[in-house]
Amino acid sequence: AQSVTQLGSHVSVSEGALVLLRCNYSSSVPPYLFWYVQYPNQGLQLLLKYTTGATLVKGINGFEAEFKKSETSFHLTKPSAHMSDAAEYFCAALNSGGYQKVTFGTGTKLQVIP
Amino acid sequence: GEEVAQTPKHLVRGEGQKAKLYCAPIKGHSYVFWYQQVLKNEFKFLISFQNENVFDETGMPKERFSAKCLPNSPCSLEIQATKLEDSAVYFCASSKSGQGRETQYFGPGTRLLVL
Repeated sequence: AQSVTQLGSHVSVSEGALVLLRCNYSSSVPPYLFWYVQYPNQGLQLLLKYTTGATLVKGINGFEAEFKKSETSFHLTKPSAHMSDAAEYFCAALNSGGYQKVTFGTGTKLQVIP
Repeated sequence: GEEVAQTPKHLVRGEGQKAKLYCAPIKGHSYVFWYQQVLKNEFKFLISFQNENVFDETGMPKERFSAKCLPNSPCSLEIQATKLEDSAVYFCASSKSGQGRETQYFGPGTRLLVL
């Protein structure tokens, strides 16, 4: 069964510092990969996704992620954190060969310190 | 509509009472998914529909949980005789198709609290 692992349930960064949220997947076949953001008491908003093609994916709000097959990783980065980035971030995967049944990681809560 | 709509936003039920949650997918989307987010942020897939047909119900508890997507009506998720452990946020998502690369768009969720 496919699984998604997010290393670090809480990450704190200073405003303006680099944001790095880690995600690894386990799948014999590279899945489609997604990052979602959840603000308090709100639903999930798609930040970016990787399906095929370019392995460096750019998303909204200045975020980007790189698919690395050799490392089975899809880490999320942002060069400079903003206070408004404080939220919960979820990495998700679904089988590229099948239909959609998303597997989520357990989330990483990002705190931005002024 | 352009967004997945879920009602109600909050729902409080006494243990043993029935709970019914609603989801209106984005217009033109033929797939609907229900997920349960419990404490510690674990998302659990419950069920998916292709139009009004159940596509995958492998995540649905056999007892007490049921779901429907009827034509021209919001989809619904019903829990008979709620239990304390049913307290969670229930998210609905929709997508244009069941193809893997299609993005699932999530609603704001319904927070169910069972007392």
